[in-house]
Amino acid sequence: KAGVTQTPRYLIKTRGQQVTLSCSPISGHRSVSWYQQTPGQGLQFLFEYFSETQRNKGNFPGRFSGRQFSNSRSEMNVSTLELGDSALYLCASSLGSGGNQETQYFGPGTRLLVL
Amino acid sequence: GQQLNQSPQSMFIQEGEDVSMNCTSSSIFNTWLWYKQDPGEGPVLLIALYKAGELTSNGRLTAQFGTTRKDSFLNISASIPSDVGIYFCAGPRFSGTYKYIFGTGTRLKVLA
Repeated sequence: KAGVTQTPRYLIKTRGQQVTLSCSPISGHRSVSWYQQTPGQGLQFLFEYFSETQRNKGNFPGRFSGRQFSNSRSEMNVSTLELGDSALYLCASSLGSGGNQETQYFGPGTRLLVL
Repeated sequence: GQQLNQSPQSMFIQEGEDVSMNCTSSSIFNTWLWYKQDPGEGPVLLIALYKAGELTSNGRLTAQFGTTRKDSFLNISASIPSDVGIYFCAGPRFSGTYKYIFGTGTRLKVLA
């Protein structure tokens, strides 16, 4: 079974631009969660999508948004990029029961550099 | 955001040594996940624990779900150079639905 895939793997943007990242979950998984990872803040939860609906949200500004398609693929968008948005963006997929025994599987990440 | 506390933060060990690390929380968890992350890659799931007191192995790795449900431990036996990386623990926190919070990570370096 194929794992979680993320595209692109690397991205360089300038301040003020916007960016869209894509994540394809493991086949059969209906939940996709997005995380931002930086050296200073560690892994921070952005949001979770399940059945095309945002089910949970972290403490990030509205510039960070996402969506999920009917095939469970998800995209994350960051508008008006800031230098501090430079990070590794990870998505994780799970079956999506929403319970406390879900197991999440991560993709390889997209490394975003904002200049 | 909220994070779990992992210790040690980093460690250098000699190849062949055993390694122990732990993860603690002020809250009770019903699941503990342990991941390993190589530089520039996503975390890879090593072991999942679902029951207090549970002891689970995956090759040279053994993890335990603490009996208080507020901590978990990961041991690596006979370390090898490819064990280098950052080890994260994670647990689900309820906030409408469950979302995972992650530990601060333990960076392991193995000296050949």
